[in-house]
Amino acid sequence: NAGVTQTPKFRVLKTGQSMTLLCAQDMNHEYMYWYRQDPGMGLRLIHYSVGEGTTAKGEVPDGYNVSRLKKQNFLLGLESAAPSQTSVYFCASRTLQGYGYTFGSGTRLTVV
Amino acid sequence: DAKTTQPPSMDCAEGRAANLPCNHSTISGNEYVYWYRQIHSQGPQYIIHGLKNNETNEMASLIITEDRKSSTLILPHATLRDTAVYYCIGVPFSSGSARQLTFGSGTQLTVLP
Repeated sequence: NAGVTQTPKFRVLKTGQSMTLLCAQDMNHEYMYWYRQDPGMGLRLIHYSVGEGTTAKGEVPDGYNVSRLKKQNFLLGLESAAPSQTSVYFCASRTLQGYGYTFGSGTRLTVV
Repeated sequence: DAKTTQPPSMDCAEGRAANLPCNHSTISGNEYVYWYRQIHSQGPQYIIHGLKNNETNEMASLIITEDRKSSTLILPHATLRDTAVYYCIGVPFSSGSARQLTFGSGTQLTVLP
């Protein structure tokens, strides 16, 4: 039981490049979330999903898109990366009635 | 969602109890108090949550004041591995809520040998 797995763990992008971050969970959780964390700050919600095929915007959605085609996967896309998107990205999930979130170990993205 | 206020940093001697305070004076009746911690840039880890009664689990105890305006997380016997940033968060529990977590700056707890 792997929990929440994020790939890749590290990535360096050039400004304007695109990429997709993958979050996979094997706990059959309904809810999934993408957060970003900048140095010295708390996590901020980018997008979230309450079930397969549904997504919603969080606090800082600009510059990102997401998809949840399968219940176990939640993809975060950057269409045209900018240096301001340099951050650590965390994925999380929880059950419909659950209270505790399970977080992944993070993806460290640098945009140069 | 309730805004929470925590001290930016605290120290605790190894083996002693660590008491981490949190003020959440704007918390509403439909919000739980959650505590998470983040060890050295790893993903946050759930610790405990409560509504109005004190709670205890294998990791910690949570004491919530009767008026629910503040709470204290207690790590009974702190170890070096408890050094982390601790976040206190108000989370609505209504059935239609996505219960997204709104993180503040947290408290950096340093356990000293």
